Amino acid sequence: DAGVIQSPRHEVTEMGQEVTLRCKPISGHNSLFWYRQTMMRGLELLIYFNNNVPIDDSGMPEDRFSAKMPNASFSTLKIQPSEPRDSAVYFCASSLGDRGRETQYFGPGTRLLVL
Amino acid sequence: AQKITQTQPGMFVQEKEAVTLDCTYDTSDQSYGLFWYKQPSSGEMIFLIYQGSYDEQNATEGRYSLNFQKARKSANLVISASQLGDSAMYFCAIAPSGGTSYGKLTFGQGTILTVHP
Repeated sequence: DAGVIQSPRHEVTEMGQEVTLRCKPISGHNSLFWYRQTMMRGLELLIYFNNNVPIDDSGMPEDRFSAKMPNASFSTLKIQPSEPRDSAVYFCASSLGDRGRETQYFGPGTRLLVL
Repeated sequence: AQKITQTQPGMFVQEKEAVTLDCTYDTSDQSYGLFWYKQPSSGEMIFLIYQGSYDEQNATEGRYSLNFQKARKSANLVISASQLGDSAMYFCAIAPSGGTSYGKLTFGQGTILTVHP
């Protein structure tokens, strides 16, 4: 079975450019999460969706960040314009979202470097 | 609000021995789940084990077991018969099992485990 798929795996860009990260959750999962991992702040939840609807985006750092989930099998996280402090590993995770079965499975992550 | 505390920044263990990684938590939720994830140097996050707050038995998954003490709010991970491949960062996490924050994982800062041959 395919796990969570993320692309690109690595992204190097210059400050001010738009960055789009992509995620395909595990088939049948109805909850999707975007996390950011940095040395300073550890793992932080940015936003999560349930049945394609954004439920909580309180972790999104600022208006430069936006996320969409147009259908059950695809989500994007966009940063526009990007800044050096956005450099981090961005993980997407998905879960069944049912009580007692809420284990989240993570994708391999996207390593973003903003110069 | 939820909080996870992992007090051991680094741990060392000899190959084939058992090791316990500590995790304490704080939550106001009545129903919640506790999770352990492994992050090797390659960077992926690997799910290891889950414990529900109302589960009476401690969870086990192969060489991993979770020592759940609800009154003490602790959820320690025990790895038996350590292997060199167990060297990694280990994260403890908690998520509510209901309410508006359902499923939101809060992670600890992690413990780096090094297994010596």
